[in-house]
Amino acid sequence: EIVMTQSPATLSVSPGERATLSCRASQSVSSNLAWYQQKPGQAPRLLIYGASRRATGIPARFSGSGSGTEFTLTISSLQSEDFAVYYCQQYNNWPPLTFGGGTKVEIK
Amino acid sequence: EVQLVESGGGLVQPGGSLRLTCGASSSTFSSYWMHWVRQAPGEGLVWVSGINTDGSNTRYADSVKGRFTISRDNAKNTLYLQMNSLRAEDTAVYYCARADCSSASCYGSYYYGMDVWGQGTTVTVSS
Repeated sequence: EIVMTQSPATLSVSPGERATLSCRASQSVSSNLAWYQQKPGQAPRLLIYGASRRATGIPARFSGSGSGTEFTLTISSLQSEDFAVYYCQQYNNWPPLTFGGGTKVEIK
Repeated sequence: EVQLVESGGGLVQPGGSLRLTCGASSSTFSSYWMHWVRQAPGEGLVWVSGINTDGSNTRYADSVKGRFTISRDNAKNTLYLQMNSLRAEDTAVYYCARADCSSASCYGSYYYGMDVWGQGTTVTVSS
């Protein structure tokens, strides 16, 4: 099973600032990585797939990068609606599909 | 825009059974792999099971293998999760999710993420 590790667990950022979230895989997943956003009481929302491809309707301030075992989600200028929990997910080798433990982005 | 609506959750005793249902609003349901993902209270997302477009290929997490069965009825645009021998650790919100994939495959670079999710249904296993 591929283990996904996200850091930091919590990120405190001021509105308008840049946020950088990290995700590490226990073995290479190539570029087969997705990012999801989840707000309290809501279902997750797909942001990024293929490590760097934005899903339909996702604003350009969200960008993904990386390949192999190291990945980054960057939110260039945080808006109020971006404060949420973010999960990475690998789909290079499944079952199982595996998610990281999440990074909570909170208001500083 | 396609919508997914889960139902069937509730309170059940350890060892009991439940069947979750996920209804899709679009007839394109039959063209997509579907998955169940769960989230225990205050915890992260955990993949449970997935099924291919015609139901001939099913996959399970080790934690539910032999106890849960995923299935689908494309004529009814409906996904199911039969859960037997339930344990306290199965307590969670269960989401169904559509996997966007190419027509060729739903593995590796042909998989484009879980792009549509239901609102979730809560399963509580407790005596």
